[in-house]
Amino acid sequence: QAGLTQPPSVSKGLRQTATLTCTGNSNNVGNQGAAWLQQHQGHPPKLLSYRNNNRPSGISERFSASRSGNTASLTITGLQPEDEADYYCSAWDSSLSAWVFGGGTKLTVL
Amino acid sequence: EVQLVESGGGLVQPGGSLRLSCAASGFTFSSYWMHWVRQAPGKGLVWVSRINNDDSSTTYADSVKGRFTISRDKAKNTLYLQMNSLGAEDTAVYYCVGGSLFDYWGQGTLVTVSS
Repeated sequence: QAGLTQPPSVSKGLRQTATLTCTGNSNNVGNQGAAWLQQHQGHPPKLLSYRNNNRPSGISERFSASRSGNTASLTITGLQPEDEADYYCSAWDSSLSAWVFGGGTKLTVL
Repeated sequence: EVQLVESGGGLVQPGGSLRLSCAASGFTFSSYWMHWVRQAPGKGLVWVSRINNDDSSTTYADSVKGRFTISRDKAKNTLYLQMNSLGAEDTAVYYCVGGSLFDYWGQGTLVTVSS
């Protein structure tokens, strides 16, 4: 099943802003938006946002999500060392009748 | 506190079967959609299967359709994944996930398919 497209890696400096992208099509991201998850090495993923910019309780306001057409974005402001992790997007694909994930973006905080 | 605790992983030979379990607590398990998501070593997340809140509907990734079966026992607050005809490509950490939007994640259980 086709997945969503994410850049493999992004590097930004401490306290800078990083924007991660996730490209799909009109059957997935363009339809119901995307969820974003964060995964630290050796740990399970954690939900950061869903349906474009809804944050679960306890998630910092430094994380904000948006969507433009078939591309979803996750913006992380004021980068901290603990933000260094893998980030995945996910969406329901109405054509495939399946959830699809992006390949993940490894964020490095310099 | 929400807890999802997977068990049942291990080493299995190609062609073999395994049943994973996931004990849920801290939320209304019977009202939630539940998923299985897997992650091969060093690789990304791959959705495997889901069951809706009233157990009337199940969905599977093409790669496991016809081989895997998701189910749950609401009296035991437990989610299951029956895996048959396992191949090397099924080697992964399997995560139990609660909520239609992947709200809650377990720690995962490792399944290794090898002779």
